[in-house]
Amino acid sequence: AQSVSQHNHHVILSEAASLELGCNYSYGGTVNLFWYVQYPGQHLQLLLKYFSGDPLVKGIKGFEAEFIKSKFSFNLRKPSVQWSDTAEYFCAVTAEGYQKVTFGTGTKLQVIP
Amino acid sequence: GAVVSQHPSRVICKSGTSVKIECRSLDFQATTMFWYRQFPKQSLMLMATSNEGSKATYEQGVEKDKFLINHASLTLSTLTVTSAHPEDSSFYICSAGRQGRGYEQYFGPGTRLTVT
Repeated sequence: AQSVSQHNHHVILSEAASLELGCNYSYGGTVNLFWYVQYPGQHLQLLLKYFSGDPLVKGIKGFEAEFIKSKFSFNLRKPSVQWSDTAEYFCAVTAEGYQKVTFGTGTKLQVIP
Repeated sequence: GAVVSQHPSRVICKSGTSVKIECRSLDFQATTMFWYRQFPKQSLMLMATSNEGSKATYEQGVEKDKFLINHASLTLSTLTVTSAHPEDSSFYICSAGRQGRGYEQYFGPGTRLTVT
């Protein structure tokens, strides 16, 4: 069974700072990878996803993530955060050919104006 | 496209009563839907996989007699919390799966259940 770990539980940044949230998974086979965001009081929204191809994936709102297969990582990045990026971010993985999604524990991002 | 709705968004019920939560895929058909539970400040925990026309598959530790799941059509799955207790208070989220370039789940807005 696959597992996902997010090492940063709570990150506090000032506006315009750069962001990188770590995500590592454990699974020996081919995976599909996702980053979801949950704004305060709102539901889960997909930020970006990786199925195959270019390991650098661009998502909505200026976010991107890079799949590094050798490191089993799928870190989320944004060059300059805004106050409106304050939210909780979840990394998730599915094993290719399977439907079940495994979520990381989430990282709460707080952006200070 | 790929919109999933849940109803109700919030529900308060008394201990011992049953509550039904609906999950609908509005613009696509979903043979498989998923039910999650999210505790405060924690991640989503998969409760069960709901398969259209067949029995749901429950995760280890989830009481199937307490959390009844019905997936009667390709656009509707329901979760019924039977004989609810305060410890069942939580945020319940459903998702509907769709195969595209890869398999992807689309999430509903969630239902906040409070049992008094």
